[in-house]
Amino acid sequence: DGGITQSPKYLFRKEGQNVTLSCEQNLNHDAMYWYRQDPGQGLRLIYYSQIVNDFQKGDIAEGYSVSREKKESFPLTVTSAQKNPTAFYLCASSIGAGRGYNEQFFGPGTRLTVL
Amino acid sequence: SQQGEEDPQALSIQEGENATMNCSYKTSINNLQWYRQNSGRGLVHLILIRSNEREKHSGRLRVTLDTSKKSSSLLITASRAADTASYFCATDAEETSGSRLTFGEGTQLTVNP
Repeated sequence: DGGITQSPKYLFRKEGQNVTLSCEQNLNHDAMYWYRQDPGQGLRLIYYSQIVNDFQKGDIAEGYSVSREKKESFPLTVTSAQKNPTAFYLCASSIGAGRGYNEQFFGPGTRLTVL
Repeated sequence: SQQGEEDPQALSIQEGENATMNCSYKTSINNLQWYRQNSGRGLVHLILIRSNEREKHSGRLRVTLDTSKKSSSLLITASRAADTASYFCATDAEETSGSRLTFGEGTQLTVNP
């Protein structure tokens, strides 16, 4: 089955710790995205990548880091510099910019809680 | 920056009624998309309307786009309890050349059986 997966579903972090959220897709999509969603609110873009080995900051990149070493994978690290990391994190992918339709396909999300 | 703004923030209707949600945006766009999110889940793409289109249908969904007013509406006809979810509009702005979408705050739709 083609799709996009995120792990873990729930993650608990102690203050001061870095944690890495996994995102994998087998849709052969060039573009991948990370969003943060707070309760009752919309999605805010953290980072995005249009191609392997390249990524750009979104609207709220501070305290986060990413890598894109493989087309299929786009892990997000929430660092200790992120002061309020408790949120629902969503990963998405799309065929890529300039390819016509750029609808995004979403993973099931990771809920991160800071203890 | 949140380009899309939906209204109402919340909508509660009875099964069988129609639901209309609106989205306003600020800059010129390539296309506008609507997504659905069930509680605690990822988003699911519903429909995409390009800037040169005025109306589009998909099953019980009807989307309109008015680029002069920078607004769009999503109509769900003959609603069902299973339509209960949050609905988001997302814009593909011309200035970002399709590389990203900007999502609105969403409308929470509740369909009562």
